[in-house]
Amino acid sequence: QSALTQPPSASGSLGQSVTISCTGTSSDVGAYNYVSWYQQHPGKVPKLLISEVTKRPSGVPDRFSGSKSGNTASLTVSGLQAEDEADYYCSTYAGRDTYVVFGGGTKLTVL
Amino acid sequence: EVQLVESGGGLVEPGGSLRLSCEASGFTFSYYTMNWVRQTPGGGLEWVSAISTSTYHLYYADSVKGRFTVSRDNAKNSLYLQMDSLGDDDTAVYYCVRGGLKFDFDFWGQGTPVTVSS
Repeated sequence: QSALTQPPSASGSLGQSVTISCTGTSSDVGAYNYVSWYQQHPGKVPKLLISEVTKRPSGVPDRFSGSKSGNTASLTVSGLQAEDEADYYCSTYAGRDTYVVFGGGTKLTVL
Repeated sequence: EVQLVESGGGLVEPGGSLRLSCEASGFTFSYYTMNWVRQTPGGGLEWVSAISTSTYHLYYADSVKGRFTVSRDNAKNSLYLQMDSLGDDDTAVYYCVRGGLKFDFDFWGQGTPVTVSS
């Protein structure tokens, strides 16, 4: 069960946009439209941001958007705000034998 | 309000056992697949185990298969994780997490820390 690949860090200036990638394989990200994204602030529990590649749960600002192309999913944060500085994790369903795998996480810094 | 409250974590020697519990409230527990997800000291998240609503389907990460056993008691709104043959790599904060219909994790408990050390 290999973890999905995320860049360890990303950064962007206030008001700008940043995109975080999440690369898997044709057996996980590429096979299912069940990619989720989570935001975790220091000392807090993860919060669901995106499910099913593109869907935002109620209460999540529309500045957060998800997409997928082939074996790579992406999270875009538009109009960066200071409170967006956090760790971001992707996950995906990977079939009955593996179930779910997470990415290694990306630390987003807002400059 | 959805609440998930874990307990049972602590310090255990290598090779030892622990049983984690999670008490759920604020939703119809029996309707949801439940999960355990852990976060290592390095910060990464790892899905550990899942159990379906009826307990018919059990899922485990390869790293814990054969050592951990997930169970639930719908009458008590409770989820459990029996952890045996613990090793250093099992040191983590263990979260009880409600599963959504699309293999997402929509509510997380506060976590219970497990430290495996001699």
